Amino acid sequence: EDKVVQSPLSLVVHEGDTVTLNCSYEVTNFRSLLWYKQEKKAPTFLFMLTSSGIEKKSGRLSSILDKKELFSILNITATQTGDSAIYLCAVRGTYKYIFGTGTRLKVLA
Amino acid sequence: DVKVTQSSRYLVKRTGEKVFLECVQDMDHENMFWYRQDPGLGLRLIYFSYDVKMKEKGDIPEGYSVSREKKERFSLILESASTNQTSMYLCASSFSAGRREAYEQYFGPGTRLTVT
Repeated sequence: EDKVVQSPLSLVVHEGDTVTLNCSYEVTNFRSLLWYKQEKKAPTFLFMLTSSGIEKKSGRLSSILDKKELFSILNITATQTGDSAIYLCAVRGTYKYIFGTGTRLKVLA
Repeated sequence: DVKVTQSSRYLVKRTGEKVFLECVQDMDHENMFWYRQDPGLGLRLIYFSYDVKMKEKGDIPEGYSVSREKKERFSLILESASTNQTSMYLCASSFSAGRREAYEQYFGPGTRLTVT
C-alpha cells in the first residue's frame, strides 16, 4: 500500500531557529514529490522535486530529494512567525497524489 | 494565474439532505480531485477524474459520488449527508502526467461542511 510519512508531527521553535521537516515515502510509479504550506485555508505550493540530489531553494526555504533512500527534507532557516503553518508532503504516483498527515510548525516570537 | 474555485466556503446541512459541492478550474487541466481533510488524518482522496465523464474511486469513496460532464467542472455529491461527513472538502486539479513530466496540483479554497 502506498504511504507517505512525515515527521515530526508537530514542532515549536523560536524565531531565528532553523528547522528540518522530514518526509519518507513508499509509492509505486513515483513521479514527483511536492511540498505544500497550509495556513488557515487551502494548501499553497512550495516545491516540486523529481530528481535526487538537486536542491530547490526559495528564500529561506530549501528542499532536497533522495530517491534511493525514499525521503525528502524541507529546511527553513531563520524562521519567522509567518512560517507557522502545517507543512504537507505529497508524492505523485501514476494518477494519484498521496499525502502525509503533515507537520504542524509553530514559531514563537 | 491558476484558478480553482469552489461553490461555497461554508455550508451547513441537515442529516439526510443531498449535498452538492462544485469545483471549477480554468487551466484546462485533465485531472481533478476531491479530498477531505480532518485533524490528524491529513488529506484523504475521495474520488478523482482523469478525463471528462471518467471517474475513479480514491481511498474513501463510501457515501460520495461525483460527476464530470465538462472538463472544467467536477462535482462531489453526498447522496444522504451524515454527521461523520462533517469536514473540510478540498478540490484540486492538475495536468496529466506525461511519460516524464509530473505536474503540480492546484487547490481550491475549500468548503467547510457541517452536517447537523
